[in-house]
Amino acid sequence: EVQLVQPREEVKKPGESLVISCKASGYSFDSYYIGWVRHMSGRGLEWMGIIYPGDADSRDCPSYGQFTVSADKSIDTVYLRWTSLRASDTAVYYCVRVIMIGGVIVRLDSWGQGTRVTVS
Amino acid sequence: QSALAQPPSASGSPGQSVTISCTGTSADIGAYDHVSWYQINPGEAPRLIIFGVNERPAAVPARYSASKSGNTASLTISGLRAEDEGEYYCYSYGGGNKLGVFGGGTKLTVL
Repeated sequence: EVQLVQPREEVKKPGESLVISCKASGYSFDSYYIGWVRHMSGRGLEWMGIIYPGDADSRDCPSYGQFTVSADKSIDTVYLRWTSLRASDTAVYYCVRVIMIGGVIVRLDSWGQGTRVTVS
Repeated sequence: QSALAQPPSASGSPGQSVTISCTGTSADIGAYDHVSWYQINPGEAPRLIIFGVNERPAAVPARYSASKSGNTASLTISGLRAEDEGEYYCYSYGGGNKLGVFGGGTKLTVL
């Protein structure tokens, strides 16, 4: 069974740094893209970025601020990190496994439970 | 504003059917058959319920179905049950975003 385990909540102040993790299990971590989707209150879902742990290929949406998506193959974990948080980063962040065929994202077949990040 | 337009809310009584629309453009829904739908309930991991326009993962009941016409995709839930309550989001590849685009979400209430 595919599982993506994230911390449930983080509370930070503006300007602080943050790293949230997503520990994957139940499948070959190297072989699938994995990424982050954010859900802000009152808004729809929005991509942050994805990474392929096998070769560190990544795609991201940098318009949402200063963040980095990375992966550590040795422990089957993907990270989302900020160097300086803003109040507008307050949201729930979901880790997702991406099914990609021919360079096209066809579905997100497994999700973590989400990490609620509050910046205040 | 989300890239794909969904009604903010929908409702139905137990046993009824409800359809949720998801409207995009010729650059996303109209261009690709990679439309998927997700159910999100507070505190739970979101769940994939439809992919490839109208395919279901094995664990999703046949009460869930979907279709696509032009730039609009639709999710239909038949025989509504209380456990169908939640927020539903559509997704399509394309839209000028190399990662694809999501809808704004529809909150489904079972009356």
